[in-house]
Amino acid sequence: DVKVTQSSRYLVKRTGEKVFLECVQDMDHENMFWYRQDPGLGLRLIYFSYDVKMKEKGDIPEGYSVSREKKERFSLILESASTNQTSMYLCASSDGQGITGYTFGSGTRLTVV
Amino acid sequence: GESVGLHLPTLSVQEGDNSIINCAYSNSASDYFIWYKQESGKGPQFIIDIRSNMDKRQGQRVTVLLNKTVKHLSLQIAATQPGDSAVYFCAEISPGNTPLVFGKGTRLSVIA
Repeated sequence: DVKVTQSSRYLVKRTGEKVFLECVQDMDHENMFWYRQDPGLGLRLIYFSYDVKMKEKGDIPEGYSVSREKKERFSLILESASTNQTSMYLCASSDGQGITGYTFGSGTRLTVV
Repeated sequence: GESVGLHLPTLSVQEGDNSIINCAYSNSASDYFIWYKQESGKGPQFIIDIRSNMDKRQGQRVTVLLNKTVKHLSLQIAATQPGDSAVYFCAEISPGNTPLVFGKGTRLSVIA
């Protein structure tokens, strides 16, 4: 069964901490994405990557960065966590043309206190 | 910017009835559309997709209809079951391998 695995289901971090959210896919997909999901706002794209060492800003990149050193792994980094980054974070991957849509991980619920 | 939206944030249906979830999209250049289902505590899961050269596609108990004239997408679920209770998202892709744009979601509640 193909999977997108997010390393943590729940995280609680303090304001100002550096936070790493990890995502690994086993489908040899070229494309990987990070979204955040908030009530009433749906899924909003933070960053995406179409290849190793490549990254593109999404709709809400402020306060975030990403790393893609290997094809299967895409990390989301909160350089200095703030309370407004409390959210559900969803990682997804897709093939080179996005033809088959995205496969999502189960999400990481991050709370910043 | 252009975005995908949904007409109704919540929908309650009786078990066994048919459900219709609607979606309006504004980017006329979008050529691929997907419906996702998200159950509580899980990530969105693919349900069905449709390309812009089609106006209808059927799956198991689900049908997606695309009306490009009015830029409207709908998901029909036949004989709705309690397990269908979830949030449903429509999403669109424009040509050029651009990222999916998601609607805000509709919560479907099935009344037993």
